[in-house]
Amino acid sequence: QVTLRESGPALVKPTQTLTLTCTFSGFSLNTSGLCVSWIRQPPGKALEWLARIDWDDAEYYSASLETRLTISTDTSKNQVVLTMTNMDPADTATYYCAREMVTVLDIWGQGTMVTVSS
Amino acid sequence: DIQMTQSPSSLSASVGDRVTITCRASQSIRSYLNWYQQKPGEAPKLLIYVASNLQSGVPSRFSGSGSGTDFTLTISSLQREDFVTYYCQQSYSAPRTFGQGTKLEIK
Repeated sequence: QVTLRESGPALVKPTQTLTLTCTFSGFSLNTSGLCVSWIRQPPGKALEWLARIDWDDAEYYSASLETRLTISTDTSKNQVVLTMTNMDPADTATYYCAREMVTVLDIWGQGTMVTVSS
Repeated sequence: DIQMTQSPSSLSASVGDRVTITCRASQSIRSYLNWYQQKPGEAPKLLIYVASNLQSGVPSRFSGSGSGTDFTLTISSLQREDFVTYYCQQSYSAPRTFGQGTKLEIK
């Protein structure tokens, strides 16, 4: 059974760096064609794709957020980490990680809500 | 980036109605278009992939079509549980992008 679970702080202050961890099971990121993506959703708003890391360690980022994002993986622990610098109240959102298999986000985590406030 | 435009942003319909949601890409994405359903408080769920392929377990009243820049999601006979939000997403190139969503409301 494939599962993903997001974890990280519920509250961060403006200008701080956010670090989120996606812990997954049921698949290996060493498998060709598998990727893990991060997506966020501000309250009441649409989904926004943030970043992706592939089985071959290729990294892709949202053009509008690229300078603030870093995605990395620790395959031995089955985790993908997303860091976002210089957090702003506009970054308040639910952050999801999801498996991408052959271009499809087929399995999603439950999401973790992050509030940016002083 | 490829821009995805969904219409309408909201749609009022009745149980049993047939509805269609449209998604347009800013450039050709061939058939690399996926549809997701999101219920309140839940993560999105994959409905249709590569434009017209029904994900396992999804009711057959859902269907998708299109290629190039224009795509549609059709629900043939709305059930009460279908009155939620739907998103399209292109997977032709990175960065991936989503449409702005369509919220189905009960008339």
